[in-house]
This record gives sequence, structure tokens and C-alpha cells, in this order.
Amino acid sequence: QVHLVESGGGVVQPGRSLRLSCEASGFTFSSHGMHWVRQAPGKGLEWVSVISYDGNNELYADSVKGRFTISRDNSKNTVSLQMNSLRTEDTAVYYCARDMGELYASGSPDFWGQGTLVTVSS
Amino acid sequence: QSVLTQSPSASGTPGQRVTISCSGGSSNIGRNAVNWYQHLPGTAPKLLIYSNSHRPSGVPDRFSGSKSGTSGSLAITGLQSEDEADYFCAAWDDSLKGVVFGGGTKLTVL
Repeated sequence: QVHLVESGGGVVQPGRSLRLSCEASGFTFSSHGMHWVRQAPGKGLEWVSVISYDGNNELYADSVKGRFTISRDNSKNTVSLQMNSLRTEDTAVYYCARDMGELYASGSPDFWGQGTLVTVSS
Repeated sequence: QSVLTQSPSASGTPGQRVTISCSGGSSNIGRNAVNWYQHLPGTAPKLLIYSNSHRPSGVPDRFSGSKSGTSGSLAITGLQSEDEADYFCAAWDDSLKGVVFGGGTKLTVL
């Protein structure tokens, strides 16, 4: 079955960088776009970014544009999120999620990982 | 402030029917499908309804969804204690070029 495991979370100071990874299994990774979604403490879900199945297209939320970069390695079934210039408001659980479209972008996450916590604090 | 609007809480007793609503606009729900997720703290969110009214394999038929104009609804019939969770709606937003979520509805089974 579909399995997504995030890693790379931790405590980081404001202004520093962190790289999250998500390892996928149980499906044809190279056929699906991948999303990152976050949830700040006590808040709702906030979409962060999506990358197309072939890695040729990326979209970002305005709140992270210019600071975060999404990438993928289809040979390793992994998607990553490079987070630079981190702010305290980036503190959240970060989830990776599969886009349900196969070889097209549906804009709908279906399967999600359990998340990794990022805490930005001095 | 979430783009999609949900009531922050809902409740019901076992066996009852509850409805959770999600209000959006012309650039999101008005043009695109609504999805619904169930989320228990510390776990992966689970897709309950996609494309307004479709249930993924394994989701009980007690859960149903609908959409009208710029609003979507999730209905749960035969409420069970294990349904106690947070429920989020989501849709693609053509103007923002991203997924937008509701703020979530915390369902309590009394």
C-alpha cells in the first residue's frame, strides 16, 4: 500500500536552513505529483508546495515563495523541501502527500505521511 | 485566516446524522472539486471524500459529500465514537494556484 515517510525535522534558529525529505513506496512514484502541507500548532492545514510527476513544474504558497524549494528524485522515490531563511511562523508539522492524479496534476492530495515537526526558535 | 470557511466545532450523539459545511468562492469550490479529510492528532490525514462526492476504497458509506455552487458539505450518518476527529475541506484555487483548506471542524461524539 501507499507509504510516505517524512524526515529531517528538528529545531532550528530563525534565518537558518533545513531540508525535509519524504520517501515514498507502494506506488509508481514517477507518475504522481507530490505536495507538502503544514500545520502550525493549534492551526489548520496550510498548503506549501507541489511538484509535478516529472519534476518540471513547481508551485508555492505566497508565504514560502522565494525561501522554500521543492525537488524530487524519481530514481530514489523521494521528494524534498529545502527551507531557507526560516521564520518562527514556519514552525509546524510538515506533511508530504501524494497527488491523486496519475500523469496529470489533479491538485488533490490523497495519501499523506505522518509528518515531521519543524520548530524555528532562538 | 483560512480561504475556505468551516464551523470550528460540531457534535452529535451515537447513531445521529451530522453535517459539516465548507464555504468558498468562485476561484476554488466554484470551479473545482471539494475534498474532505479526517485528521486525528499525531496521525496522517485521511482522504474521506474526493471530487465532491466520491469515496475512496475502504471509506464507509456512512460518509457522503456534496457540492452546490461555492459550498461543499460532508455528512456522517450513524455517528460512531471513532468518528471523533478534525475534518478539513480542501479545493484547488485557480487564482492562488494552490490548494486551499478550511480551518477544520472538530467533531465531538457526545
